[in-house]
Amino acid sequence: ETGVTQTPRHLVMGMTNKKSLKCEQHLGHNAMYWYKQSAKKPLELMFVYNFKEQTENNSVPSRFSPECPNSSHLFLHLHTLQPEDSALYLCASSQETSGGYEQFFGPGTRLTVL
Amino acid sequence: EDQVTQSPEALRLQEGESSSLNCSYTVSGLRGLFWYRQDPGKGPEFLFTLYSAGEEKEKERLKATLTKKESFLHITAPKPEDSATYLCAVPLWGYNKLIFGAGTRLAVHP
Repeated sequence: ETGVTQTPRHLVMGMTNKKSLKCEQHLGHNAMYWYKQSAKKPLELMFVYNFKEQTENNSVPSRFSPECPNSSHLFLHLHTLQPEDSALYLCASSQETSGGYEQFFGPGTRLTVL
Repeated sequence: EDQVTQSPEALRLQEGESSSLNCSYTVSGLRGLFWYRQDPGKGPEFLFTLYSAGEEKEKERLKATLTKKESFLHITAPKPEDSATYLCAVPLWGYNKLIFGAGTRLAVHP
């Protein structure tokens, strides 16, 4: 595997389900990010991890819970979601978070909440 | 307020018809400006980074330029495979927290 990978690519869940999104980066980076992309809206940053430590929580509801066990893996745990949470969830990584470093994105998970 | 604005929102070109996309920004202390290409249902693909006014980068039919207030993505003699949404983004000062524009949806028709 190369670059940034995400699984699953598609997920359909009910509002009472619990599921997790997984991201893995093979670039040797130290920073990882979760973004949300809804139709007709710019990408929204959700969480930032630098060297496994969360450095940013962009006012995200608690029904989204991130986990970063090491610099290569990032999870997004989902529970009791709402239909408006349906979106493309993107993971990205960069060398670090101090500014000016390119972020490389995974293919995304298309989430549909029924 | 830090923000990034892209124009036009959508652009339709005939194959071979050159044009430019605009990205204007209002952030203090620019630490780089990034261009990405995004195909439907996929993650953004990194194209260019520009760091200082006057800088230019090229890749095949694409050339990105930067001034103190905006960046342009010039597309020369586009082909249908250049059809995609083009995104620009800037990091907030001191952080790699990217602010993205809404993108320009480019459609190139044969």
